[in-house]
Amino acid sequence: GENVEQHPSTLSVQEGDSAVIKCTYSDSASNYFPWYKQELGKRPQLIIDIRSNVGEKKDQRIAVTLNKTAKHFSLHITETQPEDSAVYFCAASFSWAGNMLTFGGGTRLMVKP
Amino acid sequence: DAGVTQSPTHLIKTRGQQVTLRCSPKSGHDTVSWYQQALGQGPQFIFQYYEEEERQRGNFPDRFSGHQFPNYSSELNVNALLLGDSALYLCASSEGDSPTIYFGEGSWLTVV
Repeated sequence: GENVEQHPSTLSVQEGDSAVIKCTYSDSASNYFPWYKQELGKRPQLIIDIRSNVGEKKDQRIAVTLNKTAKHFSLHITETQPEDSAVYFCAASFSWAGNMLTFGGGTRLMVKP
Repeated sequence: DAGVTQSPTHLIKTRGQQVTLRCSPKSGHDTVSWYQQALGQGPQFIFQYYEEEERQRGNFPDRFSGHQFPNYSSELNVNALLLGDSALYLCASSEGDSPTIYFGEGSWLTVV
């Protein structure tokens, strides 16, 4: 089955700096890659997603890039703010399996004011 | 427009007991998936229901079972509870085969 590795496990940045979180996946059939943000004690919330026919997608301060050849994708957050502090999870799935997501282990992002 | 709702929010059970968790999907969604999230880890897929049938199943034992009702709501049942079943159980809904899923707030299960 699919296996998703996520790095780093923790990331500390100064407010205003950029943050990058990287994920690799094992199954070349995967074609959907969402990112979720989970605040302490809360549900995971979808922040951005990308499909395999697209190499990059942006939404304000957040961007995701995908390299299908290398089987890795990354989340980029620019101009970080303290409210960006949370655990971020990447995930992968392939469309015929509906929405069975395989998650990475998570990255705890801390943005210092 | 209500999002995904789950109940109960917290519960404590004893080893060997059985538990039932409930989920109502987001309005317009007909597919429900259940995930287990242990402390400090990413969610793990348990199973998915569509048209009242289990469509996909992750690597979980038969002690974990589920049901989907005609109104698309769903239940997760866990029998013979183990200490290791302590986790946040997340329900997620989507529309048909759309890969985009939305999570509920989850049910925190503690097994003592």
